Amino acid sequence: ETGVTQTPRHLVMGMTNKKSLKCEQHLGHNAMYWYKQSAKKPLELMFVYSLEERVENNSVPSRFSPECPNSSHLFLHLHTLQPEDSALYLCASSQDTSSYEQYFGPGTRLTVT
Amino acid sequence: GQNIDQPTEMTATEGAIVQINCTYQTSGFNGLFWYQQHAGEAPTFLSYNVLDGLEEKGRFSSFLSRSKGYSYLLLKELQMKDSASYLCAVSNDYKLSFGAGTTVTVRA
Repeated sequence: ETGVTQTPRHLVMGMTNKKSLKCEQHLGHNAMYWYKQSAKKPLELMFVYSLEERVENNSVPSRFSPECPNSSHLFLHLHTLQPEDSALYLCASSQDTSSYEQYFGPGTRLTVT
Repeated sequence: GQNIDQPTEMTATEGAIVQINCTYQTSGFNGLFWYQQHAGEAPTFLSYNVLDGLEEKGRFSSFLSRSKGYSYLLLKELQMKDSASYLCAVSNDYKLSFGAGTTVTVRA
């Protein structure tokens, strides 16, 4: 595997379910990001991790809970989501937070029913 | 706050040239990125401008004017595979703020 991978690619969940999104980067980077991309809207930065420490939490509801166990893996734990949370969730990584070029994963298409 | 504007859609003919404009008003600026995103795929890096002027990379060029808060992406010799969404993004430290994207449709 190369680059940034995300699993699952598609997820349908009910509002009472708990699920997790996984991101893995194979680039040796130290910073990882979660973005939300809703239809016809700009990508929204959700969380930023640098060397496994969260450095940004962009006013995201607590029903989204990130976890970064090491510099190669990033999770987004989901619980009691709302239909408006349906979107494409993109993970990205960069060499570090002072490096401007970010490499994106293919995203997880989430549908909340 | 961050305000980044770009047109929603553009259509052009194969072999033609298309220019996608982006204007921005942001609280900080470390550079401007253009990404290409095909439907259902990850955004991929196209260009990065931090100084005023034109950066050319093959069929794609990007221009920046920091004093005007303005950038454009120029796509030349359009090919069908260039049909995609093009995202303008402004960086402020590690934070990327994106425009909503411009969907370019290339017709034969």
